[in-house]
This record gives sequence, C-alpha cells and structure tokens, in this order.
Amino acid sequence: GENVEQHPSTLSVQEGDSAVIKCTYSDSASNYFPWYKQELGKRPQLIIDIRSNVGEKKDQRIAVTLNKTAKHFSLHITETQPEDSAVYFCAASRGSNYKLTFGKGTLLTVNP
Amino acid sequence: DSGVTQTPKHLITATGQRVTLRCSPRSGDLSVYWYQQSLDQGLQFLIQYYNGEERAKGNILERFSAQQFPDLHSELNLSSLELGDSALYFCASDRGGGAFSYEQYFGPGTRLTVT
Repeated sequence: GENVEQHPSTLSVQEGDSAVIKCTYSDSASNYFPWYKQELGKRPQLIIDIRSNVGEKKDQRIAVTLNKTAKHFSLHITETQPEDSAVYFCAASRGSNYKLTFGKGTLLTVNP
Repeated sequence: DSGVTQTPKHLITATGQRVTLRCSPRSGDLSVYWYQQSLDQGLQFLIQYYNGEERAKGNILERFSAQQFPDLHSELNLSSLELGDSALYFCASDRGGGAFSYEQYFGPGTRLTVT
C-alpha cells in the first residue's frame, strides 16, 4: 500500500521567514496530494491541495509543488506568522472517493 | 466549521466496554471515512463507506465495526475496549466521486479515553 514520508518532524522559524515541509510517496497511482493544518485538539483543516496534472499551486502565502517523477511534494509557507504555528500533515490519495494516507506530521513553531 | 459533525466530543470509559461514535457528513457528501489519531501512529485510515456500502478497509481491528445508514450518517462501534484504543477518532466526508470532489473535510473528532 501507499507509504508517505514527511520531513522534518519539527521546524522552528522566526516570524517573517519561510518554512518548507517535504513529503515523499510510494504509490505511483496516487494523483491527489492535500495538506492539512491541525491545531492542538482540533480537526485537520484542508489548507491547499494539488493534483498530479499540475506542478505548482499557490494560495496567498502558501504554495505546494509536486514532482511526480521523483514522487515528492512540498509545502512552502512564506512570511510566516505566529498563527501559522500548528502541526502540518501531507497526504496522498488515488483521487476522488479514496482514502488518504498521511505523513507523520510536522510541528511548525513560528517565533515572534 | 467544515459541515461534518461528530458526537460525542469526549468519551471516558473502562476497559472491556463498548462505545458508539456518530458522524454526520456534509450535506451532499456520500462518502464517510473514519480515521484514528494517536500520538505514536499518527492519522490512520480505518474504514470507508460510500452511499451505505463498505468501500474500503484499512487498519481496523476486528473489535471495531462501522455502518452507514440510509440518511448517510455513520457510526463507528468499538468493543472490548483496551487502554491502547484511547485516541482521537475523526470522521471525514467527500462527495464520493467525480472530477471535482477530491476534498475530504474532517469533523471535530471524538476523544476516547479508556481507563
């Protein structure tokens, strides 16, 4: 089955800096890659996603890139703010109506 | 608010007991997924239902079962509970097919504590 590796497990940055989280996946049939943000004790919230026919997608301060050949995808957060502090999960799926396989998560801390 | 609801928010019960967790998907969503989140295992897929039928199974123990009802709400039943079953249980839903229905939205979760 699918296996998703996520790095780093913790990331600490200064406010205003950029943060990058990287994931690799194993299943060549995966074609949908969402990112979720989870604050302590709360539900995972979908923040951005990308499909395999696209190489990059941006939404304000966040962007995701996908390299299907290398089977890796990354989350980029620019101009980080303290409210960006949370656990971020990457996931992979074979698409609509399929389960998500999650990475282990990255605890991002943005220091004021 | 994702539109997915779960009850109860918290459950505290003893080993050997049985509990039922309930989930109502977003309006219009046909698929419901159950995930377990624990500190050591992360977010793990348990089971998926689509329009009332079981569609996929993940790392779900035999002591656990689920069903989806005609009104599309779903219940996850956990029996013979062990200390290791303590975790956050999330359900998520999506449209269940189609080119524009990839996104899964999560409910607020049920925190289960087994003592």
